[in-house]
Amino acid sequence: DAEITQSPRHKITETGRQVTLACHQTWNHNNMFWYRQDLGHGLRLIHYSYGVQDTNKGEVSDGYSVSRSNTEDLPLTLESAASSQTSVYFCASSEGMNTEAFFGQGTRLTVV
Amino acid sequence: AQTVTQSQPEMSVQEAETVTLSCTYDTSESDYYLFWYKQPPSRQMILVIRQEAYKQQNATENRFSVNFQKAAKSFSLKISDSQLGDAAMYFCAYRSVPFQGGSEKLVFGKGTKLTVNP
Repeated sequence: DAEITQSPRHKITETGRQVTLACHQTWNHNNMFWYRQDLGHGLRLIHYSYGVQDTNKGEVSDGYSVSRSNTEDLPLTLESAASSQTSVYFCASSEGMNTEAFFGQGTRLTVV
Repeated sequence: AQTVTQSQPEMSVQEAETVTLSCTYDTSESDYYLFWYKQPPSRQMILVIRQEAYKQQNATENRFSVNFQKAAKSFSLKISDSQLGDAAMYFCAYRSVPFQGGSEKLVFGKGTKLTVNP
C-alpha cells in the first residue's frame, strides 16, 4: 500500500545544530507540505512544494529550508536549531483537488 | 489570506450523546473545500469528513455530519452516539480550489480537544 513516512519519530538535538527531518511518500503525489504543531496554534505551514524543483515558503518558514529533488521526498532542514523550534512536525502529500491530503505520523523534535 | 477559527478549545460529551464542534472561516473565494480532521493520542491525522463549498447538501459519514452555512461561513461538526474512541483533538481546515488560482495548502484552526465521558 502507498504511504507517507517520516523519520525519525523522535529527536533531541542541541541548540545551534543543523537537523534534517525526512519525509518520503509512495503515493507519487506532486504536492508535499511541512507543518508544525504547537499547543494553542494548531498546524501551521512551514514550506510546501508542488513538484520537483519547486519550493515555497509558508507562514512560519524562518529558520527552515526544504529541497525537492525527486517526487518522493521533501526533507526539512533546520539550519541552526533553536529552542523555539521544539515542536511536532508533520509532513503531508496530496494530488488534485478531489483527493484528501495524507499525513505522516509526525516527528517530535526537542531542541535543548 | 484565509483564516479558520475554532472557538472551543475543549469540549466534553457523555458516551452515547451528541456533541457539536464549531468552526468559522474567512475567505473571499467562492469555491473551496472544508475538512474536519481527527487527531487521537497516537498523533495520526485522520480525515473525518469533507465538504465542497459548491455542494449545498451537508456531508455525512456514518455518525459524523456537518452543518455547512456558506453565507455565515460556518462549518460545524456533529458527532452522534459518541463513543470513547471519538476522544481526540479535532481540527477544522480550509483548502482553496486550484483551478481558480488558489493554493492546495490546508489552513487549519487551532483545534478542539474532545473528551468523551463513560
